[in-house]
Amino acid sequence: QLQLQESGPGLVKPSETLSLICTVSGGSISSSNYYWGWIRQPPGEGLEWIGSINYSGTTYYNPSLRTRVTISVDTSKNQFSLKLSSVTAADTAVYFCARHSYYYDSSGSYYYFDYWGQGALDTVSS
Amino acid sequence: QSALTQPPSASGSPGESVTISCTGTISDVGAYNYISWYQQHPGKAPKLMIYEVTKRPSGVPDRFSGSKSGNTASLTVSGLQVEDEADYYCNSYKGSNNWVFGGGTKLTVL
Repeated sequence: QLQLQESGPGLVKPSETLSLICTVSGGSISSSNYYWGWIRQPPGEGLEWIGSINYSGTTYYNPSLRTRVTISVDTSKNQFSLKLSSVTAADTAVYFCARHSYYYDSSGSYYYFDYWGQGALDTVSS
Repeated sequence: QSALTQPPSASGSPGESVTISCTGTISDVGAYNYISWYQQHPGKAPKLMIYEVTKRPSGVPDRFSGSKSGNTASLTVSGLQVEDEADYYCNSYKGSNNWVFGGGTKLTVL
């Protein structure tokens, strides 16, 4: 069974960079049909897609966050990571990592987030 | 980018049916059939319930169904059960490798 687990410091100071790692177990991050995504949820609010990456490093970002986001992958560790720079209190959220199916074949199209980590709360505060 | 529009709340009694709408634009919901729905219980990760507008992943009860008309997608939960009480989010592909979620709907089972 595929499992994802977020890890990070949990507290970041304003103007600094938020960093999170997602460790994938029970499957390979190098599967060609999948991307690996980050989604966040501010307290009491809805979900926001941040961006996704595949095993070869191809990245797609939410246009509203593009200037501050970097997502990278380490296939040797079966991990991918998120860096969000110049954070403010508005970036306080639960950050989820997820497997992002993004492919089509003769059987159909597969565009969804199907496996999720439990989420990690990152608070921006001095 | 703007979130898809969902009603903040919906409710129904056990055994009843309830439909949650998700309204976008001609550039997202109206343009693609890559609509998915997620169920989220408090403090938990979202769970995929519907993909490609109408398809259910293995293990999702057939009480959950999806549809789309124009720029609006819908999730219908039939035969409501207590455990269906949760937040529900829609998601749509917007083209150009970009995705957007809805604002979420809190479903209450009365």
